[in-house]
Amino acid sequence: TQLLEQSPQFLSIQEGENLTVYCNSSSVFSSLQWYRQEPGEGPVLLVTVVTGGEVKKLKRLTFQFGDARKDSSLHITAAQPGDTGLYLCAGVGSNYQLIWGAGTKLIIKP
Amino acid sequence: DTGVSQNPRHKITKRGQNVTFRCDPISEHNRLYWYRQTLGQGPEFLTYFQNEAQLEKSRLLSDRFSAERPKGSFSTLEIQRTEQGDSAMYLCASSFLGKNTIYFGEGSWLTVV
Repeated sequence: TQLLEQSPQFLSIQEGENLTVYCNSSSVFSSLQWYRQEPGEGPVLLVTVVTGGEVKKLKRLTFQFGDARKDSSLHITAAQPGDTGLYLCAGVGSNYQLIWGAGTKLIIKP
Repeated sequence: DTGVSQNPRHKITKRGQNVTFRCDPISEHNRLYWYRQTLGQGPEFLTYFQNEAQLEKSRLLSDRFSAERPKGSFSTLEIQRTEQGDSAMYLCASSFLGKNTIYFGEGSWLTVV
């Protein structure tokens, strides 16, 4: 069974600080996706990383896929209150089904 | 490309009633997924279709749950004899076979009272 461990589960920091969210697995994924979800809404896709070692940037968000395609990280620089939300990682496993991390609830305080 | 569309967005029903949710995937996406999500948790896989064929069902999908995708386009998820434990957000997603990215709809909230 493929599992994806996401940490931390909860993070509350001040505006302007940097943070990193991690997703780790013992399994290899064909790709990994990061989503952000607001209360009462479905997950919104942020990025898909496919190649081992790949780094993608989305404004102040930097996503990295591990060389072995078993882990990924999301780094936010100079966090802003608008970054508050639930961040979910999901590895694409066999049959293109998603293996979900538990999510990171992020609160950015002004 | 209008994205994955789900309706109704919210449904309140009495215990024991039947409810049906509809999902319209992104056009030409041949894979369609149903997930369930409760507060504070990540989405849990329920079932998925490739075209009109239902290829896998989770053990979470009890006999009271049935999903269809009759023409390989839109899909419906029906819950019969609803129970309070069915209260959750039901998410639909779609993808194109061979592509890694899965796109979600906004979800359908179910409250069973």
